[in-house]
Amino acid sequence: EDQVTQSPEALRLQEGESSSLNCSYTVSGLRGLFWYRQDPGKGPEFLFTLYSAGEEKEKERLKATLTKKESFLHITAPKPEDSATYLCAVQRSGYSTLTFGKGTMLLVSP
Amino acid sequence: GAGVSQSPSNKVTEKGKDVELRCDPISGHTALYWYRQRLGQGLEFLIYFQGNSAPDKSGLPSDRFSAERTGESVSTLTIQRTQQEDSAVYLCASSLVGPSNQPQHFGDGTRLSIL
Repeated sequence: EDQVTQSPEALRLQEGESSSLNCSYTVSGLRGLFWYRQDPGKGPEFLFTLYSAGEEKEKERLKATLTKKESFLHITAPKPEDSATYLCAVQRSGYSTLTFGKGTMLLVSP
Repeated sequence: GAGVSQSPSNKVTEKGKDVELRCDPISGHTALYWYRQRLGQGLEFLIYFQGNSAPDKSGLPSDRFSAERTGESVSTLTIQRTQQEDSAVYLCASSLVGPSNQPQHFGDGTRLSIL
């Protein structure tokens, strides 16, 4: 059974204080690992897809990396508008479904 | 362009009633997915459509849950004889082609509350 564990459950940062969110996974044949951002009362918003170990993707202050067992979402010099819940999900090769973690709730204070 | 649209945005109903939730996917997206998000839990997969067929229904929690899709367009998720444990946000997503690693794009969900 595919499993995704995200840590920490919640993270509070000061504006400008860089940090990383962790996503540990077990899946039989990884097709892709996905990061989403979810604001309160909204649906998840797609951020990145990573396909293989060693891959990195960047978007503004966010950088996602992937190893064979985990992915990190690095947030550099965060701003209050980066406050959201960040979700990680894996897709098994040949399957359509995503298995999600419970998310990390990030709060960035000015 | 319009994103995934879901209606209603909120639904409050009494235990035992039937409810229908609607999803309009992004135009041209052949794959459509339903997920459930309970408070404090991760998203749970319910059902996947490719066109109007459902090759994967493995996430439907009981026979009270069913879904259908008209062509490559609107989908409805129906919950019969609702129970309090059905209270959750029901999210719909669509993507270009499935199964694949095309990203799924989500609507804002229907928040269902069972009294």
